[in-house]
Amino acid sequence: GAGVSQSPSNKVTEKGKDVELRCDPISGHTALYWYRQSLGQGLEFLIYFQGNSAPDKSGLPSDRFSAERTGGSVSTLTIQRTQQEDSAVYLCASSPASGGYNEQFFGPGTRLTVL
Amino acid sequence: AQSVTQLDSQVPVFEEAPVELRCNYSSSVSVYLFWYVQYPNQGLQLLLKYLSGSTLVKGINGFEAEFNKSQTSFHLRKPSVHISDTAEYFCAVIERGGSYIPTFGRGTSLIVHP
Repeated sequence: GAGVSQSPSNKVTEKGKDVELRCDPISGHTALYWYRQSLGQGLEFLIYFQGNSAPDKSGLPSDRFSAERTGGSVSTLTIQRTQQEDSAVYLCASSPASGGYNEQFFGPGTRLTVL
Repeated sequence: AQSVTQLDSQVPVFEEAPVELRCNYSSSVSVYLFWYVQYPNQGLQLLLKYLSGSTLVKGINGFEAEFNKSQTSFHLRKPSVHISDTAEYFCAVIERGGSYIPTFGRGTSLIVHP
């Protein structure tokens, strides 16, 4: 079956521009997570959705970052006024439910480069 | 708050040799533990997980890990590695009864040489 997909796979943008990253989770998965992976670093948690609501936004680095999820499915992560330190791979994962024992299924990521 | 330490950033090993990737965690409560693998240009994939019960957990591709509560460790092992095991390996911990947001280690790059 179809896994988690993300688009675009690569995005190069200029400093100060806005970008929008998309995540299509596995059908029926209610939990959705966004992470940021920088070179040599682990995964940095950004935000978590249960259905369409985001009970935990604690990882968003600044108010330039926002995310939404509609119809309990597709999610978009928006970064406004991008900075060079935003360059990273942005990973999305989905899970059948929000219980900690559930495996997370990851997409291939979007590699963002801010020039 | 929980934390995860992967002691080795890089582990080089020859093909067919055994390997151990180390993971230590810190938490004030009971935890769930996971190992994920990331092949080049791909997302993470679950290798194995410890939820409860037997402390020796077997996963895919011949990997296994042992939960040691007294040492707060969850080291990953494979008795004989293949070239195809070359990848980044991440240990993750989730606190039981908490927010269910996993904390990941920084990763260990396993490099298998022929």
